[in-house]
Amino acid sequence: RKEVEQDPGPFNVPEGATVAFNCTYSNSASQSFFWYRQDCRKEPKLLMSVYSSGNEDGRFTAQLNRASQYISLLIRDSKLSDSATYLCVVNAEGKSTFGDGTTLTVKP
Amino acid sequence: NAGVTQTPKFRVLKTGQSMTLLCAQDMNHEYMYWYRQDPGMGLRLIHYSVGEGTTAKGEVPDGYNVSRLKKQNFLLGLESAAPSQTSVYFCASSFGRNIQYFGAGTRLSVL
Repeated sequence: RKEVEQDPGPFNVPEGATVAFNCTYSNSASQSFFWYRQDCRKEPKLLMSVYSSGNEDGRFTAQLNRASQYISLLIRDSKLSDSATYLCVVNAEGKSTFGDGTTLTVKP
Repeated sequence: NAGVTQTPKFRVLKTGQSMTLLCAQDMNHEYMYWYRQDPGMGLRLIHYSVGEGTTAKGEVPDGYNVSRLKKQNFLLGLESAAPSQTSVYFCASSFGRNIQYFGAGTRLSVL
């Protein structure tokens, strides 16, 4: 079993839709969590950190469920420009582990 | 705002040739990393460094060597390139085990 697992998708949604991705992790000692965005053939860039109380940044909401060991990313009112691969990152015991990513395509 | 700069951006090698990829960061970060990403796949950690003069193996270190002689630079070497090393290589840096900032990548083809 991988330490960090994501549904690879692809998720194909129409503009304006709400879409959610989950990322599960196996190490219960995991301490910090992030979502990155990676556009085709570009470098990953931080989208948002994930806080225990959950956090929101515009149309994006990130949540952490420690009991079930997963983090989630919710995108509301999807835009064409949201099309990308979304990577989750879990830090545990001095090590950062990236998920393989979930691909989102938003269509007109 | 240079951030993390990787050189070269593209390179084509023949099997058996050697090369060095350079990563430079201007954020005074202690931690630096080298990843490879194959088509349709996630990032795999090759080597990393937690400070000047230190290096450690990641998930896929075989066939690669690294050096961190200066805090701002992290070099990745391929001594004898193989077609299996065709990939996109990303360098990243971070302040502690925190948010990683990535370079734009080096696209390497080994024929």
